[in-house]
Amino acid sequence: EPEVTQTPSHQVTQMGQEVILRCVPISNHLYFYWYRQILGQKVEFLVSFYNNEISEKSEIFDDQFSVERPDGSNFTLKIRSTKLEDSAMYFCASSDWTSGRSGELFFGEGSRLTVL
Amino acid sequence: QKEVEQNSGPLSVPEGAIASLNCTYSDRGSQSFFWYRQYSGKSPELIMFIYSNGDKEDGRFTAQLNKASQYVSLLIRDSQPSDSATYLCAVRPGANSKLTFGKGITLSVRP
Repeated sequence: EPEVTQTPSHQVTQMGQEVILRCVPISNHLYFYWYRQILGQKVEFLVSFYNNEISEKSEIFDDQFSVERPDGSNFTLKIRSTKLEDSAMYFCASSDWTSGRSGELFFGEGSRLTVL
Repeated sequence: QKEVEQNSGPLSVPEGAIASLNCTYSDRGSQSFFWYRQYSGKSPELIMFIYSNGDKEDGRFTAQLNKASQYVSLLIRDSQPSDSATYLCAVRPGANSKLTFGKGITLSVRP
């Protein structure tokens, strides 16, 4: 069964360092998302991406964050200068609207980011 | 601020009982509603979605939607210990837009 894959599964970094989290969405999906979940808190929307551009972003997604689809398969989230409060699980998700399905989001297993 | 609220938990039920999980949302224009299950340390996994008022059944799970009351619920019949997880309610305001998640409710099914 097709799935969303994310790397790395866990990354530890020093405050102020740049981090890139990578995702390979399901191959025929057109909509891509990043969410984050701070330990014990709810799943929070960061950004959605369609047709090679950001379609929506939250207040959390400030200038420190960027997304890119560098090729036909990868979707990346970059955090330019990490802060302690960026420590969280980051989930990539994709969805497919074209087949008349519900547009449910399929989530990857997540990348746990720990900022020291 | 569009909010999705879930009952404070945790909820504990004996094996074989019916678990009832509730969710309210503030955006009256919301069009689609989702229930995800999340095991500890894992990613959310879709259980059901519902668009129309009324009930939708899938195996042991029934989703109920009442748009007038801005209320969506999930019933789990014949609860099993493997159902022990956090259940997330998510709402989508319109086509092609993001899902907004509630905080979740943790269900524990006692053998």
